[in-house]
Amino acid sequence: KNEVEQSPQNLTAQEGEFITINCSYSVGISALHWLQQHPGGGIVSLFMLSSGKKKHGRLIATINIQEKHSSLHITASHPRDSAVYICAVSSDSNYQLIWGAGTKLIIKP
Amino acid sequence: DAGITQSPRHKVTETGTPVTLRCHQTENHRYMYWYRQDPGHGLRLIHYSYGVKDTDKGEVSDGYSVSRSKTEDFLLTLESATSSQTSVYFCAIGHYAYNEQFFGPGTRLTVL
Repeated sequence: KNEVEQSPQNLTAQEGEFITINCSYSVGISALHWLQQHPGGGIVSLFMLSSGKKKHGRLIATINIQEKHSSLHITASHPRDSAVYICAVSSDSNYQLIWGAGTKLIIKP
Repeated sequence: DAGITQSPRHKVTETGTPVTLRCHQTENHRYMYWYRQDPGHGLRLIHYSYGVKDTDKGEVSDGYSVSRSKTEDFLLTLESATSSQTSVYFCAIGHYAYNEQFFGPGTRLTVL
């Protein structure tokens, strides 16, 4: 079983819909990261969080440390949000990241 | 954007040839990482460095070596490239605290 699990693997939605991507982990962490990768593009860090909730524009990330679960929400989704969203956790035992497999999101106009 | 570049951005080579990929940073970050990204897999760590001349293996290090002679440069070498090393390679830099990493633009390597 992977230490970081993302769901769903693939998600297709219509423009304007509210999007939720989930990340569950099984190890002790010091922080959780959400990153975005557009097709053929580089990888960009969206959020780093260790508790609570963070918001940037239409993106919201939450984390529940007790349940070992995080969600990434996109409000009023737009075709330009189409990308792979990756969850990763900072293990509290070393200085490496443990990566989820990513969620491929397609927003149709 | 973090000042991190990779070269070359694209490379096509033949099986058995040596290949070196370069990662260069202007941020003076202590930690540098090499990942590969393949369809159906998440990012997989090849090697990482925690200082000049200090490197260690990641989960998929076989067939790869690295060197870091200066803070700003981290080289990844495939001594004898194989078709299984066809991939997109990403370099990343980071601080230790919470391990936030910043990624380079990637290098697409094709081994024929």
